[in-house]
Amino acid sequence: DTAVSQTPKYLVTQMGNDKSIKCEQNLGHDTMYWYKQDSKKFLKIMFSYNNKELIINETVPNRFSPKSPDKAHLNLHINSLELGDSAVYFCASSQAFRRGNEQFFGPGTRLTVL
Amino acid sequence: AQSVTQLGSHVSVSEGALVLLRCNYSSSVPPYLFWYVQYPNQGLQLLLKYTTGATLVKGINGFEAEFKKSETSFHLTKPSAHMSDAAEYFCAVSDLKTGGFKTIFGAGTRLFVKA
Repeated sequence: DTAVSQTPKYLVTQMGNDKSIKCEQNLGHDTMYWYKQDSKKFLKIMFSYNNKELIINETVPNRFSPKSPDKAHLNLHINSLELGDSAVYFCASSQAFRRGNEQFFGPGTRLTVL
Repeated sequence: AQSVTQLGSHVSVSEGALVLLRCNYSSSVPPYLFWYVQYPNQGLQLLLKYTTGATLVKGINGFEAEFKKSETSFHLTKPSAHMSDAAEYFCAVSDLKTGGFKTIFGAGTRLFVKA
């Protein structure tokens, strides 16, 4: 029973296209995140939602738009894809204000922009 | 502001040898500290964490880490490496002040295990 799931696992698309990645967690957590991992494995937070409210919005191009329809889902829509968007995108969830609120990660979505 | 520095982007050990992955952090408030492991083509999973109390923390797969406030360090060790330990390891820091919303990850250390 997968705790944090993402779809799709692989996404290959042309420059200029618009694409979405979906994430769902069944852990009952109130906080969800999107991270971008580049080819050097550096993990950078993009967005975080707590109870459907955007609380972290790092310096990400506004072509990236997250959407949280409910506490269990956090989707990421990307407009006008660029070559530099190629990376692995991870969704994660946690319970805020819990001591040592470790994050649970999804399996990742590998995005390749051609 | 919080930060994490992992010393050594690559560490290579022989099977059966001691594993030592170094992590130093910076935090203005008492930190929560984590080690995560990422196997190829997978997401990160928690190895262990420090919140409060005992400074020597034991995790899964025989790993442990010691919180040393005076050295602002949280190094990860394992007495005897297995081939299956080959992976990317991330040290991370967060704190309760911000609800733990923001976790800062180090750049990662790739562990190679030689037969």
